[in-house]
Amino acid sequence: DTGVSQDPRHKITKRGQNVTFRCDPISEHNRLYWYRQTLGQGPEFLTYFQNEAQLEKSRLLSDRFSAERPKGSFSTLEIQRTEQGDSAMYLCASTWDLSSGANVLTFGAGSRLTVL
Amino acid sequence: AQKVTQAQTEISVVEKEDVTLDCVYETRDTTYYLFWYKQPPSGELVFLIRRNSFDEQNEISGRYSWNFQKSTSSFNFTITASQVVDSAVYFCALKEYSGGYQKVTFGTGTKLQVIP
Repeated sequence: DTGVSQDPRHKITKRGQNVTFRCDPISEHNRLYWYRQTLGQGPEFLTYFQNEAQLEKSRLLSDRFSAERPKGSFSTLEIQRTEQGDSAMYLCASTWDLSSGANVLTFGAGSRLTVL
Repeated sequence: AQKVTQAQTEISVVEKEDVTLDCVYETRDTTYYLFWYKQPPSGELVFLIRRNSFDEQNEISGRYSWNFQKSTSSFNFTITASQVVDSAVYFCALKEYSGGYQKVTFGTGTKLQVIP
């Protein structure tokens, strides 16, 4: 078990460009979460998947954002036409079904996006 | 309304001092879980402890201890004899039954700096 992997770790892009982040969760986990963390703030929920199904999206996730988990394994988060306000750390986490209550999220190291 | 409040933005202590990080939460649920995570400079959130709402026993793990008080909706975290390696941002988080335990809501974090 190598933990949750995220790629790339850092991305610098110009405003208006598209970026894509990848997350490889712990293989046994069926739930995958995306969070966004801005400087000095705690992680904010963006969306989550159970297997390949995207079950909930936050209102923080504008139309420029899209997330997929095509085979219920890895996930991608794409941001189109990036804006400077998108600059943040994008965190991925995985777990077994959280509804058992006791399950905890295991986080990756994050992908830091800087939009110039 | 902020569901998880960490009023202390930054704390600095000298090595070997004890330090308490405060967390106040808000929920209408009688069933919920509380968590503490540590985020070192490397960025990866590391799970420290989970406590369910029916278990008000305080817990001690080495130099770490947690004080859960439902009457004041607080879940405070104390580090005894702090060390430089404790320097990190610490997040308190809440998972509510009414949300189907689907999401974890984080506070804004407390940055702890331990000075040698």
